[in-house]
Amino acid sequence: AQKVTQAQTEISVVEKEDVTLDCVYETRDTTYYLFWYKQPPSGELVFLIRRNSFDEQNEISGRYSWNFQKSTSSFNFTITASQVVDSAVYFCALSAFPYGGATNKLIFGTGTLLAVQP
Amino acid sequence: GAVVSQHPSWVICKSGTSVKIECRSLDFQATTMFWYRQFPKQSLMLMATSNEGSKATYEQGVEKDKFLINHASLTLSTLTVTSAHPEDSSFYICSARKTRDTEAFFGQGTRLTVV
Repeated sequence: AQKVTQAQTEISVVEKEDVTLDCVYETRDTTYYLFWYKQPPSGELVFLIRRNSFDEQNEISGRYSWNFQKSTSSFNFTITASQVVDSAVYFCALSAFPYGGATNKLIFGTGTLLAVQP
Repeated sequence: GAVVSQHPSWVICKSGTSVKIECRSLDFQATTMFWYRQFPKQSLMLMATSNEGSKATYEQGVEKDKFLINHASLTLSTLTVTSAHPEDSSFYICSARKTRDTEAFFGQGTRLTVV
């Protein structure tokens, strides 16, 4: 079975603080992708990053960074020097490739609501 | 990134009527489109997966006769909520993917309110 756990339901920080959003996943497949999406109050989902299971290199994009560790099945997301515009719900998602090549699908975590206070 | 357009953004309908939601990939051909439902302050729940030219695959517990999905072309999928009831009120989001190895891009979502 595939599962994504985001244990942090809500996080509140003050602007300019760093914040890390946790994501733990479960899958028996050896090939899979991990994603992070941002959902601002307007509702649309914004793609942030995709990482495949064979690439454990950490990635940095501006104030965003991601730490992928297969040993702990985690794919954590850090925002450095947070800003009010970062306030949103952030979803971690998993897409695995079961044997047989059946159409894979995105399994979402429950999301973490990040509130950045001015 | 690729653009997925969903229409309408919001709709209010009377109980018992049907509502159609469109999902278009504007600048790429989508081999697969997905339909999700999101209740307030909850995660996205996959309703069905559709591949162009074939019948949609529904997740367990989703009524295929109530939520009709058509994926007539590589750029268009539609979700029709038939005989809508207040409990169908929700936020519906589609996503489209070029191939199985690429990321999925999401539409803006449709907020359906059934009165």
